[in-house]
Amino acid sequence: AQSVTQLDSQVPVFEEAPVELRCNYSSSVSVYLFWYVQYPNQGLQLLLKYLSGSTLVESINGFEAEFNKSQTSFHLRKPSVHISDTAEYFCAVSDRRNQGGKLIFGQGTELSVKP
Amino acid sequence: DTEVTQTPKHLVMGMTNKKSLKCEQHMGHRAMYWYKQKAKKPPELMFVYSYEKLSINESVPSRFSPECPNSSLLNLHLHALQPEDSALYLCASSRDQDLTYEQYFGPGTRLTVT
Repeated sequence: AQSVTQLDSQVPVFEEAPVELRCNYSSSVSVYLFWYVQYPNQGLQLLLKYLSGSTLVESINGFEAEFNKSQTSFHLRKPSVHISDTAEYFCAVSDRRNQGGKLIFGQGTELSVKP
Repeated sequence: DTEVTQTPKHLVMGMTNKKSLKCEQHMGHRAMYWYKQKAKKPPELMFVYSYEKLSINESVPSRFSPECPNSSLLNLHLHALQPEDSALYLCASSRDQDLTYEQYFGPGTRLTVT
């Protein structure tokens, strides 16, 4: 079984500051890793994912995440945040052996960007 | 078009009512999902349909009844709900049930059971 821990439930940050949202996972098998974002009153959107290959993955809006197998982490970073990045961010994992299975979500991190 | 639409946006129902939530996508996706999300919590998977057949039922109570009439539509029939069933119900779709494919989420139906 897999589990996901998002270490911070809330992260307040000022506009243009860097931010890191932390995600650690536990699994006895290889996993795929995902970050989803949920803006207020909306559904979730995939931000980025790690399936294989380069351990550093990037999104089109400036976020990046690095898969660290030894530390079982997949932290999300952005060098300079905008007000519009205010949202709930969910880290998720899935079992590589069971691609028809389900996503296991962390509890979420609320990113609040202040002017 | 990468849109998943859900109707209604809001629904208030009594514990004896019968209502339905609707979800539609026109991306040609063959997997569709229902999730339940309580406030400040992650989504919880309820059901997965793959090629119009029920593939996963996460031990959901029978007062929730899913239906997939065709590859573009997904319904969730509600009957005799409890106040604790109040939540945001999210529909999602993906190319197929392979989790390497992105799941596209609708905006959800906010359900209140009185």
